Amino acid sequence: QKEVEQNSGPLSVPEGAIASLNCTYSDRVSQSFFWYRQYSGKSPELIMSIYSNGDKEDGRFTAQLNKASQYVSLLIRDSQPSDSATYLCAVRVLTGGGNKLTFGTGTQLKVEL
Amino acid sequence: DAGVTQSPTHLIKTRGQHVTLRCSPISGHKSVSWYQQVLGQGPQFIFQYYEKEERGRGNFPDRFSARQFPNYSSELNVNALLLGDSALYLCASSAGTPRLLEQYFGPGTRLTVT
Repeated sequence: QKEVEQNSGPLSVPEGAIASLNCTYSDRVSQSFFWYRQYSGKSPELIMSIYSNGDKEDGRFTAQLNKASQYVSLLIRDSQPSDSATYLCAVRVLTGGGNKLTFGTGTQLKVEL
Repeated sequence: DAGVTQSPTHLIKTRGQHVTLRCSPISGHKSVSWYQQVLGQGPQFIFQYYEKEERGRGNFPDRFSARQFPNYSSELNVNALLLGDSALYLCASSAGTPRLLEQYFGPGTRLTVT
């Protein structure tokens, strides 16, 4: 079982719709969760971090965390063509010390006009 | 404030050669982490340094090494390059304190090994 799993997509949504991106993780002691956006040919850009159960909202983005189900999601409201990118879920793994992030393979999002 | 900077942006090397990649963190950040990203995959953790000490190491061979300098900049060295080392190498900067865990990536160095 992969440590962090994401559906690779592509996930296609029409402009203005809500895009829902999902991520599951296997390490129950994971405590910190991050969403990165990566445009083709560019480096990952941090868009959300979440540390406790529940929802965290920042503009059009909402991160949701359910530690009991080992599940974290990202909702993008009013999706725009500029949101088309690969979204990477990252989990901070406590084993071995350090500030290591374990990433999923990413979900490609396409926002269509 | 400037973000994370990395140099060079692109690099082409031949199998067996050595490469050094450089990174400067965000001003005030004391921790630097290195990741390797191959096409179609998420970044894979290589090293983390905090206050010039190695704090974490990923599952990479001993050909990979790194260090952090007193000004918190960092170098990643890879010896005896293999074709499979071709990837985007990312440096991530973080404050390093337990409450500030967010990591911010630089633009990366794209390494091609021929």
